[in-house]
Amino acid sequence: DIQMTQSPSSLSASVGDRVTITCQASQDMINYVNWYQQKPGKAPKLLIYDASNLQTGVPSRFSGSGSGTHFTFTITSLQPEDIATYYCQQSDNLPFTFGPGTKVQIK
Amino acid sequence: EVQLVQSGAEVKKPGESLKISCKGSEYNFNNYWIGWVRQMPGKGLEWMGSIYPGDSDKRYSPAFQGQVTISADKSTSTAYLQWNSLKASDIAMYYCARHHSSGSGGYYSGLGYWGQGTLVTVSS
Repeated sequence: DIQMTQSPSSLSASVGDRVTITCQASQDMINYVNWYQQKPGKAPKLLIYDASNLQTGVPSRFSGSGSGTHFTFTITSLQPEDIATYYCQQSDNLPFTFGPGTKVQIK
Repeated sequence: EVQLVQSGAEVKKPGESLKISCKGSEYNFNNYWIGWVRQMPGKGLEWMGSIYPGDSDKRYSPAFQGQVTISADKSTSTAYLQWNSLKASDIAMYYCARHHSSGSGGYYSGLGYWGQGTLVTVSS
């Protein structure tokens, strides 16, 4: 199975800050890496698919990049409503696997 | 708007069987893979498997193969996740989600639309 190592496991930032989360895959990907946001008590929501494509309706402050084994998720200006846990996921090789998540809090 | 509506919370005893459902609407149900994702209390997300309702092709995670059965009924646009004998370790929230891309190869895509989740509790 492909392991997705996500870091940091948690972070605290101020409103307006730039936030970056990284995901390292245990083997090369063909860019089928996706990023999800999950708020407490809610279902996950797809934000970024295929490494860098913004899902319809998702604010442009969210972005993704990367290739090979190293992928990055960025929030350019953190907003209070962005408090959530963020997960990366690879849909490149079966079985599809998620990273362990990054909990984002407001400082 | 694409919607996935899951069946309600379940409380079962160990050894009992269970089938939970996920009804899709406002899209061509036959043309998109539907996946199931487990989230144990306080833990992360685990992909269990996906099904293509068009021809019932399935992909399972080895961790869940043989432990659950995924099925779909095209006539009612409903996908199912089934257990024959529940264990305490099956306590979790279970989500269904539609893969982002259409077609038989569409399982190589993110999970774009999610159901609200079904909480399964197993207790004697």
